[in-house]
Amino acid sequence: EAGVVQSPRYKIIEKKQPVAFWCNPISGHNTLYWYRQNLGQGPELLIRYENEEAVDDSQLPKDRFSAERLKGVDSTLKIQPAELGDSAVYLCASSLDQGGSAFSGNTIYFGEGSWLTVV
Amino acid sequence: GQQLNQSPQSMFIQEGEDVSMNCTSSSIFNTWLWYKQEPGEGPVLLIALYKAGELTSNGRLTAQFGITRKDSFLNISASIPSDVGIYFCAGRQGGSEKLVFGKGTKLTVNP
Repeated sequence: EAGVVQSPRYKIIEKKQPVAFWCNPISGHNTLYWYRQNLGQGPELLIRYENEEAVDDSQLPKDRFSAERLKGVDSTLKIQPAELGDSAVYLCASSLDQGGSAFSGNTIYFGEGSWLTVV
Repeated sequence: GQQLNQSPQSMFIQEGEDVSMNCTSSSIFNTWLWYKQEPGEGPVLLIALYKAGELTSNGRLTAQFGITRKDSFLNISASIPSDVGIYFCAGRQGGSEKLVFGKGTKLTVNP
């Protein structure tokens, strides 16, 4: 079974340019997450989707970041315009929300990440 | 954002040694997850814990969900060079789907 797929793997852009990342979650997973990981830190949640609805976007910098998951499957994360401080790894993850079921339920699986460098 | 307290920050050990790392929080969590991240890759799930006191093994890895629900530890026995990487703990509080991560423990294994 394919895991979480992300693209591009690596991106180098100049500041003020736009950038977009794409994610395809594990088949059947209804919950999708975008995390940002700064160097030497753990991942921090940007936005969480349940199906096509964004249920937690409290940590998403909405002035320059946007995300969508129109059909409840794959998702895109966009930054426009990018700033130097946006250099980080952008991780997509997915899980199958089984309503609290303990066995492998709600376990989050990550993609390989999109490594962004803003120069 | 909130993060868990993970220690140690880094470890340098000899091949064959056992390793222990832990994660603590001032808040109660109802799920603990342990991930390993290698350079250039995303975190890979190692062990998931869902009940206080639960002790779960995955090969040479063993993790426990603390009785107080505010901590968890991960042990690696008989380390090998491919154990090198950064190990992250992550926890989820009751009533929330948000996963909070520690800052990671960087493990180096000398052959």
